[in-house]
Amino acid sequence: QKEVEQDPGPLSVPEGAIVSLNCTYSNSAFQYFMWYRQYSRKGPELLMYTYSSGNKEDGRFTAQVDKSSKYISLFIRDSQPSDSATYLCAMSKYGQNFVFGPGTRLSVLP
Amino acid sequence: KAGVTQTPRYLIKTRGQQVTLSCSPISGHRSVSWYQQTPGQGLQFLFEYFSETQRNKGNFPGRFSGRQFSNSRSEMNVSTLELGDSALYLCASSPGHTDSPLHFGNGTRLTVT
Repeated sequence: QKEVEQDPGPLSVPEGAIVSLNCTYSNSAFQYFMWYRQYSRKGPELLMYTYSSGNKEDGRFTAQVDKSSKYISLFIRDSQPSDSATYLCAMSKYGQNFVFGPGTRLSVLP
Repeated sequence: KAGVTQTPRYLIKTRGQQVTLSCSPISGHRSVSWYQQTPGQGLQFLFEYFSETQRNKGNFPGRFSGRQFSNSRSEMNVSTLELGDSALYLCASSPGHTDSPLHFGNGTRLTVT
């Protein structure tokens, strides 16, 4: 079993839909959680960063962490075609390198 | 503020050769991490350097090595290239605090023929 699991997709949604992206993890020592967006032929771009259970909102993006269930989510409201990309979750333990999920490919259709 | 800069963007090498990739971190960032990204394995951690010292290392063979200079710029070297080394190599920088998120460059696409 991999440390971080993520549905690879592809996930296709119509423009304006609410998108839910999820990751599960097996190591309860993970404390820091991030979401990245990666466009084709580009490096990952940091979207959200959190270290506590609960919700964190930034514009159209909401990151949710449930440490008791070892489950994190990223919600995208009013999705746009420009949101079409691969979304990567990442997490780490104190003092250790970040471990990435395999990524979910998202397509937002106009 | 300029982002993380990686050079070159593309490289084509032959099996058995060696290659050096370069990374300039965001100004003020003291930590540089290197990742290998492939379609099958995703992002895999190679190593991290902080203040010219390797602080963490992933599970890659000794053919993969790196170093960091006093200005925080970093280089990664792969010797005796194999076909399986074809990948996108990503460099990420951070201020270096334990909970600092990573900021990535656009990577170097290495193709080994």
